[in-house]
Amino acid sequence: EAGVTQSPTHLIKTRGQQATLRCSPISGHTSVYWYQQALGLGLQFLLWYDEGEERNRGNFPPRFSGRQFPNYSSELNVNALELEDSALYLCASSLFGTASGGYTFGSGTRLTVV
Amino acid sequence: DQQVKQNSPSLSVQEGRISILNCDYTNSMFDYFLWYKKYPAEGPTFLISISSIKDKNEDGRFTVFLNKSAKHLSLHIVPSQPGDSAVYFCAASAGNNNDMRFGAGTRLTVKP
Repeated sequence: EAGVTQSPTHLIKTRGQQATLRCSPISGHTSVYWYQQALGLGLQFLLWYDEGEERNRGNFPPRFSGRQFPNYSSELNVNALELEDSALYLCASSLFGTASGGYTFGSGTRLTVV
Repeated sequence: DQQVKQNSPSLSVQEGRISILNCDYTNSMFDYFLWYKKYPAEGPTFLISISSIKDKNEDGRFTVFLNKSAKHLSLHIVPSQPGDSAVYFCAASAGNNNDMRFGAGTRLTVKP
């Protein structure tokens, strides 16, 4: 069974540009979560999607947005990139409403803003 | 708002000894707690969890203890092995495993 896959692995963008990160969940998982891990910090919750809808959002500005497609894959878009957006972006998936086993994470996309 | 705190950024132990990683939380609504392990260039992987109705959960060399009154949990690894060297994240959620909050992580180094 394929795990959570993220692309690209690395992404270098210039300040002010837009970045698009992609995630494919484990087959059968309907919930997709996005987290940001900046250097030296823990995982900061960004967004949660389930069945194509945004279920919850972390404390990030509106230029962080995303969507979930009918096949449950997801896209994270970051507009008007700032230097402090440089971080590892992790995607995770789970079955909706599960209370055990936690999430399954992908290996992340390393975004560097220069 | 850092609802889950891991106050020790790093921990070093000798192979064969016990590793104790600590985690504190502030949100009394949290009822499910997890530990994740992360190697460089990989995503975190689920290690062990505990529900708030328990105070201990054991899985092989890994045991998680929960002290609800102190809003504190800990992960014990006995005996520690060099392959356990990784960053360990504590996480907590309220309700159905959604909007999970993570600590900043503790880097464990197990020396041969």
